[in-house]
Amino acid sequence: EVQLVESGGGLVKPGGSLRLSCAASGFTFSSYSMNWVRQAPGKGLEWVSSISSSSSYIYYADSVKGRFTISRDNAKNSLYLQMNSLRAEDTAVYYCAREGGYFSHDYWGQGTLVTVSS
Amino acid sequence: SSELTQDPAVSVALGQTVRITCQGDSLRSYYASWYQQKPGQAPVLVIYGKNNRPSGIPDRFSGSSSGNTASLTITGAQAEDEADYYCNSRDSSGNHKVFGGGTKLTVL
Repeated sequence: EVQLVESGGGLVKPGGSLRLSCAASGFTFSSYSMNWVRQAPGKGLEWVSSISSSSSYIYYADSVKGRFTISRDNAKNSLYLQMNSLRAEDTAVYYCAREGGYFSHDYWGQGTLVTVSS
Repeated sequence: SSELTQDPAVSVALGQTVRITCQGDSLRSYYASWYQQKPGQAPVLVIYGKNNRPSGIPDRFSGSSSGNTASLTITGAQAEDEADYYCNSRDSSGNHKVFGGGTKLTVL
């Protein structure tokens, strides 16, 4: 059974940093691209970042480029999102999602809440 | 354009058919995928590619596309289909992804 479990969320002050993790199991992690998607309270889904299976290709939404860094450790079956210079508008539930056929997101974690507030 | 546009809300009578649409220039080049999200839960993929359903998704869900518009059709809507639905695709560059604003489906 495919499982994605996010961790690392919490309350952080504006300008602060946080590192999210996503532990994957139930599939060959090293064969799949992975994504981070976020959802602000009461709002819609927003794609944040993607990383290819071997980390060769990395992309970011304009809203986080230069502040967030996606990475992965295939030996540990883990995906990460380093978030720096956090702003109030980064407050959201952050989901990790596996990339499936036709660039869809076929499996999602339950999400971890990041709150940026003073 | 890198935007996908959805109607904010749609309603359907129990057992009837409803179509949820998603418009965007990138849909002329790339397929959309569709996600169902219920309150307090993670999104669930319901349609991807031309018209593919993941295992476990009822066959009352189907997808189609024409020009710059992708559609999700629910034939014989059930009470449990009441949820938010999001479309998703690549943007015009092909490297970034974009989600529609979501459609809240009410089953009457």
